[in-house]
Amino acid sequence: ETGVTQTPRHLVMGMTNKKSLKCEQHLGHNAMYWYKQSAKKPLELMFVYNFKEQTENNSVPSRFSPECPNSSHLFLHLHTLQPEDSALYLCASSQDSLTGGYEQYFGPGTRLTVT
Amino acid sequence: GQQVMQIPQYQHVQEGEDFTTYCNSSTTLSNIQWYKQRPGGHPVFLIQLVKSGEVKKQKRLTFQFGEAKKNSSLHITATQTTDVGTYFCAGRGGTYKYIFGTGTRLKVLA
Repeated sequence: ETGVTQTPRHLVMGMTNKKSLKCEQHLGHNAMYWYKQSAKKPLELMFVYNFKEQTENNSVPSRFSPECPNSSHLFLHLHTLQPEDSALYLCASSQDSLTGGYEQYFGPGTRLTVT
Repeated sequence: GQQVMQIPQYQHVQEGEDFTTYCNSSTTLSNIQWYKQRPGGHPVFLIQLVKSGEVKKQKRLTFQFGEAKKNSSLHITATQTTDVGTYFCAGRGGTYKYIFGTGTRLKVLA
């Protein structure tokens, strides 16, 4: 159903580990997003890329580092995470992020557990 | 900053009953979107409203955008078990980004 894929689907990591989340969209979109979804808070926008350029960093701690090598791929590099970072990380894409009016297509998410 | 609240947070209904969730923004919105997230799934786009007072229907779902463009509602007529999930609104205010609401989790009892 979804044109947005995410890997891995589940990840357990220690606080000293370094890992990366990958997102790929096959919809020809120009904007990509990272969201954090935890039980206690609504969907939190983390980063937005439009035509590979970062247009939004929603005060995200530096232990989360995004990378967007092209309009189809988005990575989230993780290092020195805290247990409170455990959550579902969702990637999304849309035709554009700046002009608005476009729906976002979400990937299945990566369920991250920090031990 | 812009905040989007939804009520109720949870709603349990008997199958066949109606359901309504309300979305309220602290600022005037240029448009609003609605998404549905099934248990264990990801948000899926339902609809977008742009005009003041706009009403749109999708089968048993009716979406409304308030006259002041600060609130919206989703009404489901005669709920079915397939309606189970969390419904989110996402409002676009003065900036280009969408702010997601807190969500309403719907449970339908057969």
